[in-house]
Order: sequence, then structure tokens, then C-alpha cells
Amino acid sequence: AQSVTQPDIHITVSEGASLELRCNYSYGATPYLFWYVQSPGQGLQLLLKYFSGDTLVQGIKGFEAEFKRSQSSFNLRKPSVHWSDAAEYFCAVGENQAGTALIFGKGTTLSVSS
Amino acid sequence: DAGITQSPRHKVTETGTPVTLRCHQTENHRYMYWYRQDPGHGLRLIHYSYGVKDTDKGEVSDGYSVSRSKTEDFLLTLESATSSQTSVYFCAISELGIGETQYFGPGTRLLVL
Repeated sequence: AQSVTQPDIHITVSEGASLELRCNYSYGATPYLFWYVQSPGQGLQLLLKYFSGDTLVQGIKGFEAEFKRSQSSFNLRKPSVHWSDAAEYFCAVGENQAGTALIFGKGTTLSVSS
Repeated sequence: DAGITQSPRHKVTETGTPVTLRCHQTENHRYMYWYRQDPGHGLRLIHYSYGVKDTDKGEVSDGYSVSRSKTEDFLLTLESATSSQTSVYFCAISELGIGETQYFGPGTRLLVL
């Protein structure tokens, strides 16, 4: 069965510092991988996704993620964090099979200190 | 932003009462999903629909039922609400339903007293 692990429940980063949020997945084939962001009281917004091809994907708001098959990872990065990036981040995995839903990690809460 | 609305956005109800949440989309997407979000659990799938009158159970379907009589509407019903169903409920839609991108509604915050 698919699973997604986000090892860090809460991370605090200084404004302007770099950010890396970790995501590990368990899936037999090449999965579809996603990062979503949720601001307090809001729904989930898609940051970026990986289906195939180039393993480094660019997303919105200056985020990028790298798919590493050998490590079963899809870590999210941003070179310089802004205070407005404080939110909860979810990694999710989907499979290429009709009728399947996404499997989400439990989320990482990002706090940004000034 | 995808055209997804949820109603009501907030609801307080009492244990044992029935509750229906509505998800409405204007994208004409075939697949619709209901998730619940709880602290420490992320999002968990309750039910999903792959067409009008076609639905299936998700990971946490006990105590919930769904209906889809029109492409644009997906209803989630708590037949007899319990305190354990206090949660934030999100509707999502996708076009192809093969694990590709899902777009989420704004959520419904439900409190069962």
C-alpha cells in the first residue's frame, strides 16, 4: 500500500534563510507526487507536481522539489523564505490507476521567524 | 482557482443529529472526493465519486454516506453525528481520477457537541 511520511512535524526557519521540507513515499512504481500548501483557515493550494521527466520541478511562489527514486524522496525546497510562507505543507502521492485518491502525509508546519 | 464551493462553511450540531455537507463544482470534472482533516492525521479520504450515482468508500467511510445525482454536486451525509466526526471537511475534484492533480474547496468546519 502507498504511504507518505513527512518526518518533521514543525520547522522554524529565519526569514531569508533556505528551506527544505522532507517527504518520503512508499510505492512500487513511479508515483505521481505533489506538494500542497495550506494557510490557516484555508483550503489546500497546489504548489507543484511531478508526473515524469525532469526530476527537478518548479512550482509557484519560488518553490521547487526534486524526485529521487533511489531515496524514495520528494523534498521541497526554497532558497529564501518569506514570512508569508508560514503555513502547513502537505506531500501527497497518487498512482496511475483509475479511481484512486491521493494519499497525504501528515503535514509539516512551517514557522518563519524575523 | 478551480470553481469549487462548499456549504455550509461552518456548522455546529448536536450528537445524534443528521448533517449534510454540500460540494458544488463548476469545472465539469468527473471525479469528486470528500476528505476529513484532523490534527496529526493529515487528510484522509472518506468517499469519492467517479460519476453520477457512482461512488466508492475511502479509508474512513464508517458513519458517512454520499450521493451524487448531478455532475456538479457531491453530498456528504453524517447519518447520526458523533463527537468523533468533529473535523474540517474538504471536497476535491479531479478530471481524470488517476492520481493526478486534485483541486480543493475551501473546507467546512464541523463541530459536533
